[in-house]
Amino acid sequence: ILNVEQSPQSLHVQEGDSTNFTCSFPSSNFYALHWYRWETAKSPEALFVMTLNGDEKKKGRISATLNTKEGYSYLYIKGSQPEDSATYLCAFNQAGTALIFGKGTTLSVSS
Amino acid sequence: ETGVTQTPRHLVMGMTNKKSLKCEQHLGHNAMYWYKQSAKKPLELMFVYNFKEQTENNSVPSRFSPECPNSSHLFLHLHTLQPEDSALYLCASSQDNIIFNDNEQFFGPGTRLTVL
Repeated sequence: ILNVEQSPQSLHVQEGDSTNFTCSFPSSNFYALHWYRWETAKSPEALFVMTLNGDEKKKGRISATLNTKEGYSYLYIKGSQPEDSATYLCAFNQAGTALIFGKGTTLSVSS
Repeated sequence: ETGVTQTPRHLVMGMTNKKSLKCEQHLGHNAMYWYKQSAKKPLELMFVYNFKEQTENNSVPSRFSPECPNSSHLFLHLHTLQPEDSALYLCASSQDNIIFNDNEQFFGPGTRLTVL
């Protein structure tokens, strides 16, 4: 059974802190890795879709890296703001298969 | 606003009821999905439709019956559900089926279902 692990499960930081989370997935037959941000009472929103080993993507203060050979991706948030408070979901799929999601990392940023 | 709407947002039903969830996407996408999120569990894919044709059924019990009349609309018909089916049901769409494409998915806000 394929599994996606995210860590930590939750964390609390102060405004201005930088933080990062980890997503671990099986490295065999890798196809794509997705990151989503899910704010309370809203729809999950796509942040990144990554396919290439060593790829790094950035959107504002948020960036992500991908290592397909060892099966992990990091999501970084620089200078966290209260509006970054959300659950960050990671999902991966192998070629020809559906996305498998992790349970998410819930971030809380205090001002 | 993601371009994907779902109705109703909340639904309470008895085990003998029949109800339907509706999803509509205004993005011109070709693929639509139903996901289920139970408490403390990850999002779990239920069904995938590509160009109105069902391409994935993730071993979902027959008391859940999907319908995709066109590429913009997706329904989930519910009958004789069990209390353990209480969950958040999310609809999503993507330009093409993500099983074979690295497209991002656009999610609706979900329907919170409670089965009594």
